[in-house]
Amino acid sequence: GDSVTQMEGPVTLSEEAFLTINCTYTATGYPSLFWYVQYPGEGLQLLLKATKADDKGSNKGFEATYRKETTSFHLEKGSVQVSDSAVYFCALLTNSGYALNFGKGTSLLVTP
Amino acid sequence: GAVVSQHPSWVICKSGTSVKIECRSLDFQATTMFWYRQFPKQSLMLMATSNEGSKATYEQGVEKDKFLINHASLTLSTLTVTSAHPEDSSFYICSARPGGSETQYFGPGTRLLVL
Repeated sequence: GDSVTQMEGPVTLSEEAFLTINCTYTATGYPSLFWYVQYPGEGLQLLLKATKADDKGSNKGFEATYRKETTSFHLEKGSVQVSDSAVYFCALLTNSGYALNFGKGTSLLVTP
Repeated sequence: GAVVSQHPSWVICKSGTSVKIECRSLDFQATTMFWYRQFPKQSLMLMATSNEGSKATYEQGVEKDKFLINHASLTLSTLTVTSAHPEDSSFYICSARPGGSETQYFGPGTRLLVL
């Protein structure tokens, strides 16, 4: 079945460091891919998305490119801030379904 | 735009009581709403999907008689946890999807504690 695998955290970085959170997926067909962010005590917010191969989603300095050949959608940011500390979820939506399939989430802590 | 609210944000109740959680799409019409449950430091587990005006579709292992879902309008869905027990304590999150869109917008979540 469809699934998402993301790197386990927690990830701890110093401010202004480069961030990569790996995400790979298994799906039939051509899913849409999403990154959601969850700040402490809050619900999820859509961070970015990509709907087809080679699409790049970007928002707030974060980027992720839909790589069909490697079935990946890694999240990157060139210079993280303390305010980026949160849990990041990779998710996919198959074109035959309507419910999101979430990865387990990766906790990011950015220290000053 | 695309704001989803949940009420209440926090609820503490005694074992055996029922709790109702509301999920509203504030600035769009949601043909489909989803209810998730999240345990501490874990991912979201889909509980059920509701389409306006029809019965909810529950995921395997979710008791439909315990978790009653009503989607009476295009902007409101409710989840009622009936006869709540301590093991029902969790973070419940709803999401809403506008018609014609594949993007889900999430509410801020409701933390339920059953004593």
